[in-house]
This record gives sequence, structure tokens and C-alpha cells, in this order.
Amino acid sequence: EVQLVESGGGLVQPGGSLRLSCAASGFTLSIYWMTWVRQAPGKGLEWVANIKQDGSEKYYVDSVKGRFTISRDNAKNSLHLQMNSLRAEDTAVYYCARDFYPYYSSSSGYDYWGQGTLVSVSS
Amino acid sequence: NFMLTQPHSVSESPGKTVTIPCTRSSGSIASNYVQWYQQRPGSAPSTVIYEDNQRPSGVPDRFSGSIDRSSNSASLTISGLKTEDEADYYCQSYDNSNHAVFGGGTQLTVL
Repeated sequence: EVQLVESGGGLVQPGGSLRLSCAASGFTLSIYWMTWVRQAPGKGLEWVANIKQDGSEKYYVDSVKGRFTISRDNAKNSLHLQMNSLRAEDTAVYYCARDFYPYYSSSSGYDYWGQGTLVSVSS
Repeated sequence: NFMLTQPHSVSESPGKTVTIPCTRSSGSIASNYVQWYQQRPGSAPSTVIYEDNQRPSGVPDRFSGSIDRSSNSASLTISGLKTEDEADYYCQSYDNSNHAVFGGGTQLTVL
């Protein structure tokens, strides 16, 4: 059974840092592009970042460029999001999601999502 | 970049059919696949339609998707509405850099 389990969320002050993790199981992580999507309280979904199978390509939404870093450890079946210089507007539930197809960057959305981890940025 | 615009909310009675539109602001709706996600309160999103009109296994055939080039929009249609269909629905496509773009979401009420 495919499972994605996020962790690492919590309350942090503005300017602080957090590292989110997504533990993958039930499939071979190394053959899928992976993505982080966030959802601010009461708001819609927003794509944050994605990463190629071997980590050689990474892309970010403009609002987090230079502050967030996506990474992966295929040997440990994990995906990460290092978040620095956090702002109040980064407050959201962060979901990791698996690309629909393996081996290439498809334009077919995501077939599995984690349950999300809440990041709250407040003083 | 473009936007995907959805109505904030729709409502319909059980057993009826509802259609949720998703309009692309610029560029052709047909240039990239459209997906639809269902999100029940307190839950993660789940895919109900991918590649414009494909249903993942386990999604009932009451759910269907389509695109309309003339209106530059995609639509999610749910027939035989059930109370369990009450949820938020998001359309999603891709920009020229293959980055995901989501619609603002539509709250479906089944009453």
C-alpha cells in the first residue's frame, strides 16, 4: 500500500526555520518526481516545489525561492522541505504528493497525497 | 502565467447532476492536461479525474471530466449526487514550465 506520511510541522516565529519530512512506503521512491503542495487555513491549494527522481532538478514557486529547499534521500525513502526565513504567509498545511506516472515528469497530476503537516508562523 | 477560475460554491440536491467549471485565463485549456481533486473537510486531497477525463481506479463513474475549447474551460460533472460527494473540488493544470497551477476551489453542497 502506497503511503506518504509528513512530519516536522509546528509553531515557529517569523524568521525561523523548519524542516519537513515525508516518509514514503509501498513504492519505489527513486522513480517518481515528488512535490510539495501547501494550503493556507481556509484557502486553496498552492504548488510549492518539486524534485526530479535523482534530485538533479528542483523547481519552486516564486514566493519561496531562496528560502525553501526541496531535497530527497531515496535510500531512506524520504522527501524533505527545508524552510528558512519563514513568514506569516507561509502558515499552511504542507502536503507531499507523488507524480502520477513513474520515470518521467508527467503533466498528469498526483495520484497519492500525504495527510499533511501544519506549519504555523507567528510571534 | 495563467489562472484557473472556479465558482466559489455550488449546490444541488441528492440524485441530481452538478457541473463545476474551471476556466483558463490565457493560453489554451487543451495545451496541458487538467486534473480534478476532491477534498473532504479535514482530509487530504484525492484525485477524481486526471488527464482531462480519466478516472483513477476506485472513483465511481458518476464522476466525469471534459474540456471545451470554445469556452477555454474544463468541467467536472458529478451525476447521481450523494451526500458523501459534499467536498471542495479543485482543478489543476500546468504552466509552460510544467509547474502546477490550481484553481481556487469550489465548495459543493449536497442538500
